Amino acid sequence: GIQVEQSPPDLILQEGANSTLRCNFSDSVNNLQWFHQNPWGQLINLFYIPSGTKQNGRLSATTVATERYSLLYISSSQTTDSGVYFCAVEGSMENTDKLIFGTGTRLQVFP
Amino acid sequence: DAGVIQSPRHEVTEMGQEVTLRCKPISGHNSLFWYRQTMMRGLELLIYFNNNVPIDDSGMPEDRFSAKMPNASFSTLKIQPSEPRDSAVYFCASSFVGPLHFGNGTRLTVT
Repeated sequence: GIQVEQSPPDLILQEGANSTLRCNFSDSVNNLQWFHQNPWGQLINLFYIPSGTKQNGRLSATTVATERYSLLYISSSQTTDSGVYFCAVEGSMENTDKLIFGTGTRLQVFP
Repeated sequence: DAGVIQSPRHEVTEMGQEVTLRCKPISGHNSLFWYRQTMMRGLELLIYFNNNVPIDDSGMPEDRFSAKMPNASFSTLKIQPSEPRDSAVYFCASSFVGPLHFGNGTRLTVT
């Protein structure tokens, strides 16, 4: 099946810093989503982005499907951004809504 | 909308007991997923329903696990008999051709 790799595995930032999280996938995809798991364990959908670029406040995401990667940008980070960020993909051979998750990037933002 | 609703939030049971986890998807969503999250294995897809029909149960670990979706607004995941290695957070999620939305999860502890 499709493989999803995220980097870096861990990231420590001071409040106000910017960061880029990367998601590489091994095959073409129909569907790619980014999620944030907060320290209370809730999984929040950030972006549904099989291709192109989207922005939502301080967060933006870009997926280059032809090169099999996606990037999540966090600008002016805040302590509330702490948690684990997951990338999840559905391989184009699947023809379902089945999402496979990467192992995540753990972000800690300190004041 | 109240989002995806899972119950109970926490479940502590003894080895050998039956455990039933419940999920109410977002109204209008036609796809429902059960995921399990552990430190060792991350987020794993257990089973996926589309229009109340099980489409892919290849992630169900063994015959002790079963899932049903009797109607569009309710699904259960049952473990019988439960074992300590089943301890994890179980998430239900739903979607309709787009972003996946998660419930808050059920933290299961089997002693």
